[in-house]
Amino acid sequence: GNSVTQMEGPVTLSEEAFLTINCTYTATGYPSLFWYVQYPGEGLQLLLKATKADDKGSNKGFEATYRKETTSFHLEKGSVQVSDSAVYFCALKNMDMGRRALTFGSGTRLQVQP
Amino acid sequence: NAGVTQTPKFRILKIGQSMTLQCAQDMNHNYMYWYRQDPGMGLKLIYYSVGAGITDKGEVPNGYNVSRSTTEDFPLRLELAAPSQTSVYFCASSDTPPTQYFGPGTRLTVL
Repeated sequence: GNSVTQMEGPVTLSEEAFLTINCTYTATGYPSLFWYVQYPGEGLQLLLKATKADDKGSNKGFEATYRKETTSFHLEKGSVQVSDSAVYFCALKNMDMGRRALTFGSGTRLQVQP
Repeated sequence: NAGVTQTPKFRILKIGQSMTLQCAQDMNHNYMYWYRQDPGMGLKLIYYSVGAGITDKGEVPNGYNVSRSTTEDFPLRLELAAPSQTSVYFCASSDTPPTQYFGPGTRLTVL
């Protein structure tokens, strides 16, 4: 079956530090990969996505590259801000499945200190 | 543009009570989903629907029921609330794959 594994949090960084949140997956076929962000008290928002191997998704200074050889989709940002404090979820969607539902990792909380 | 809306935002239930969580979307999406998010965990799929009149079970359907009489609405019913159903519930919709749009969530506590 499908599964997503994320690094455990919380991750605590100072402002302007470099961020990496690791994500690896197990899936049959060729899934699409996503990063969602959840700010306190809000629902999930799509941050970025990649639909095939070697694609790079990017948004708001965040990037992630779909690595099929290592089954990974690590999230990176060169310089984090306090406003980036949130929970980040890695997810996959296996397009072979008719329901098109997402499989989520357990989430990684990021805390950025001024 | 409202997107995906959910009501109520918060609710406390006693064991054995029933309630309906409401979800509506105004994007004319065919696919709709209910997820639950337990503390420190990712989201798990409860039920989903691929269109009006069609629903199916996800990973954790026990204790819940759904209906989809219109494209816009996808209510989730809890018939006999149990403490194990204490969670945050998210509704989502999707049309053009693979992006899903999420509502703000309903925080439910069963005591």
